[in-house]
Amino acid sequence: DAGVTQTPRHEVAEKGQTIILKCEPVSGHNDLFWYRQTKIQGLELLSYFRSKSLMEDGGAFKDRFKAEMLNSSFSTLKIQPTEPKDSAVYLCASSLLGVYEQYFGPGTRLTVL
Amino acid sequence: GDSVTQTEGLVTLTEGLPVMLNCTYQTIYSNPFLFWYVQHLNESPRLLLKSFTDNKRTEHQGFHATLHKSSSSFHLQKSSAQLSDSALYYCALSSGSFNKLTFGAGTRLAVCP
Repeated sequence: DAGVTQTPRHEVAEKGQTIILKCEPVSGHNDLFWYRQTKIQGLELLSYFRSKSLMEDGGAFKDRFKAEMLNSSFSTLKIQPTEPKDSAVYLCASSLLGVYEQYFGPGTRLTVL
Repeated sequence: GDSVTQTEGLVTLTEGLPVMLNCTYQTIYSNPFLFWYVQHLNESPRLLLKSFTDNKRTEHQGFHATLHKSSSSFHLQKSSAQLSDSALYYCALSSGSFNKLTFGAGTRLAVCP
């Protein structure tokens, strides 16, 4: 089975641009998570979907971050407008209902200039 | 809400010495699930250990941990560190009916020859 896939692997954006990151969860998984990872803050939850329904939308990230899950096999994370402080690795993870283990994708490294 | 505390940001030790990384948690739920994830350089986090059972040792790849609900702890141990153990280790908690994980800040383990 394919694991979690994320595209692009690297993204460089100018301040103020709109960027869209993509994630495909493990086939059959019910839950999908978006995280931001930085050396200072560690792993921060951005959004959590269960069966395409938004369960949690990280409060501090609501204003410029929007995650969507249009179908069970694809999710996007839009950052609009980007700021230099958004430079981080964005990780997508999925899990099967009741199993609790999360499988992480390879991540997208975002650099905002 | 739930929280996980990892007291050490960086642990440096010599190859062959024992490893112990601390993890304590807080939750109102009586049946928490605890996890250790490991993240090697330029990789994404992957599950190392998990435990649902009080006072039962769980082992994987030479590492072990025991969930102690009485002290709200789930420390990670290994009898003899290897160079390849150098990585970032996250302790995580799941409680309630969702698969959402609450991560600690992470402990970087650096094993030197």
